[in-house]
Amino acid sequence: ETGVTQTPRHLVMGMTNKKSLKCEQHLGHNAMYWYKQSAKKPLELMFVYSLEERVENNSVPSRFSPECPNSSHLFLHLHTLQPEDSALYLCASSQDWTGTNEKLFFGSGTQLSVL
Amino acid sequence: QKEVEQNSGPLSVPEGAIASLNCTYSDRGSQSFFWYRQYSGKSPELIMFIYSNGDKEDGRFTAQLNKASQYVSLLIRDSQPSDSATYLCAVKQPDNAGNMLTFGGGTRLMVKP
Repeated sequence: ETGVTQTPRHLVMGMTNKKSLKCEQHLGHNAMYWYKQSAKKPLELMFVYSLEERVENNSVPSRFSPECPNSSHLFLHLHTLQPEDSALYLCASSQDWTGTNEKLFFGSGTQLSVL
Repeated sequence: QKEVEQNSGPLSVPEGAIASLNCTYSDRGSQSFFWYRQYSGKSPELIMFIYSNGDKEDGRFTAQLNKASQYVSLLIRDSQPSDSATYLCAVKQPDNAGNMLTFGGGTRLMVKP
């Protein structure tokens, strides 16, 4: 248990559905991240929030919409996804965004399948 | 394009042997380097980080950094079947003040009893 909890663990959705992924961290960290892990591709950073402010948007399509209501919670709202968006979505947190050697703590991920 | 390259493997070693995992990176100004372990179906977990040239040891793990040659490696001594996992190399980019990491594709390690 890393202190970062993600729900749901698995999600199957159609291309016209709207769903949300939830992440909660119990570590008192100030930075939270969304990563995408596709088969046979490296982990890709999607979004970063530091103290509830978005500091990085890594050219992610607008069908992915993040929300960070407070420093402990992070959401990823999904709508009109494509089959190629099927992947493991990982939430992570770190103590701060601007530290020297900030360690990432990952949640267990949401395995998303888009039909 | 900033790149982090790893041999995808699988790297197969017998139990008790030394496993050597390598990673090269393209951005000469990169500052910090991380090794994460990811078991099948699980999330990545940090094993070690290194930011100075040379070796850094932690138990059975040794990270080695050579900035001149732009490579970082992870040695696992006395490999155990429980070490079988995918090992991800991550590099912190130098061109911003934030915790931007670029990950390699990972090397799958198999330790055979």
